[in-house]
Amino acid sequence: AQRVTQPEKLLSVFKGAPVELKCNYSYSGSPELFWYVQYSRQRLQLLLRHISRESIKGFTADLNKGETSFHLKKPFAQEEDSAMYYCALTGTGFQKLVFGTGTRLLVSP
Amino acid sequence: DARVTQTPRHKVTEMGQEVTMRCQPILGHNTVFWYRQTMMQGLELLAYFRNRAPLDDSGMPKDRFSAEMPDATLATLKIQPSEPRDSAVYFCASGLAQQNGYTFGSGTRLTVV
Repeated sequence: AQRVTQPEKLLSVFKGAPVELKCNYSYSGSPELFWYVQYSRQRLQLLLRHISRESIKGFTADLNKGETSFHLKKPFAQEEDSAMYYCALTGTGFQKLVFGTGTRLLVSP
Repeated sequence: DARVTQTPRHKVTEMGQEVTMRCQPILGHNTVFWYRQTMMQGLELLAYFRNRAPLDDSGMPKDRFSAEMPDATLATLKIQPSEPRDSAVYFCASGLAQQNGYTFGSGTRLTVV
């Protein structure tokens, strides 16, 4: 079965510190991976798609098929980055979007 | 910016009442998802549709929940009868191609008392 694991429920850092939110997935086929962000009581917003290899708001994520990981990174965290971050998986063999349990990022001044 | 529109934004109802939540997907999107978000369970997939046909509703309690797409511009999620444990935020999302990701609505916050 397809599965996404985000091992950290909460990640607390100071402003300006580097951030890495971990995501590991389980899927034997060709994965499509995403990061979504949810600011307080708002909708989930698509942050990154692995296929586009883009950088949004200073965040990047690289798909490592060998380690089945798609960790989200930012070199210098900002207070406005405080939010819930969800890693999500879909794939050519199945249609639905499977989410991890999310990591709350708290950036303190 | 195209948006997925969900109504109502908030709903408070008494146990046993019927609840209907509506979603207007982005025009042209052929895939629609319903998710439920709670503190305890996180994001749970309830059902999803492609080209208006239900593909998977295994995450939905069948005895009380039903999901439909009467046309390409409307998806509905009904709960009858509602129970306090149904209290959650219900999100709708739509998309066209898997690799592009999906766009979420603002959600319906349901409270059943």
